[in-house]
Amino acid sequence: GAVVSQHPSWVICKSGTSVKIECRSLDFQATTMFWYRQFPKQSLMLMATSNEGSKATYEQGVEKDKFLINHASLTLSTLTVTSAHPEDSSFYICSAKLPGTSANTQYFGPGTRLTVL
Amino acid sequence: KQEVTQIPAALSVPEGENLVLNCSFTDSAIYNLQWFRQDPGKGLTSLLLIQSSQREQTSGRLNASLDKSSGRSTLYIAASQPGDSATYLCAPNGDRGSTLGRLYFGRGTQLTVWP
Repeated sequence: GAVVSQHPSWVICKSGTSVKIECRSLDFQATTMFWYRQFPKQSLMLMATSNEGSKATYEQGVEKDKFLINHASLTLSTLTVTSAHPEDSSFYICSAKLPGTSANTQYFGPGTRLTVL
Repeated sequence: KQEVTQIPAALSVPEGENLVLNCSFTDSAIYNLQWFRQDPGKGLTSLLLIQSSQREQTSGRLNASLDKSSGRSTLYIAASQPGDSATYLCAPNGDRGSTLGRLYFGRGTQLTVWP
């Protein structure tokens, strides 16, 4: 149980285009999902907390107009990288909080590798 | 802000060795701490979770200890195997206010176990 999927697993796009990444909780409903970014040989950095039915909470330094997050249902959160640039190339990982558990029980997706040319 | 440091950054050992991976964190106000494994280009797999009130947690060949007051956790891997090769991440979880439920990650220890 507690499986989280991401789609796509990898994507290559041209500079200036927008890319949407999906995060789904497959066998549970998640009111809270998290989006992380990981550059090579760096730690995972929390970008934003996605709450179903409300606006996402962004971490300091993360541009909310560039990284659009939509959590329209209890099983799906999407991250859209708008007007992507090569410096946005990274590994994006989502996690979903399992309801009814302690505050920090998060289950992670397999990640999405974004390459912007 | 919570800062997490993991030592060593990389470790290469022959199989069979017992290993020690260290993690230190600056803010001792944590709810619990998790150790994860990350394979290249993959997501995270949770290995162990230690509550702030616990001193250690064991799962198979893995044992994690926690000294909350000194801001340290250690992951012990017994009788290492090539399949243990991965990056190991330590992540304390905040316990109050804006930090509640948030995981803070270190850069990890990249482990290579060779046959």
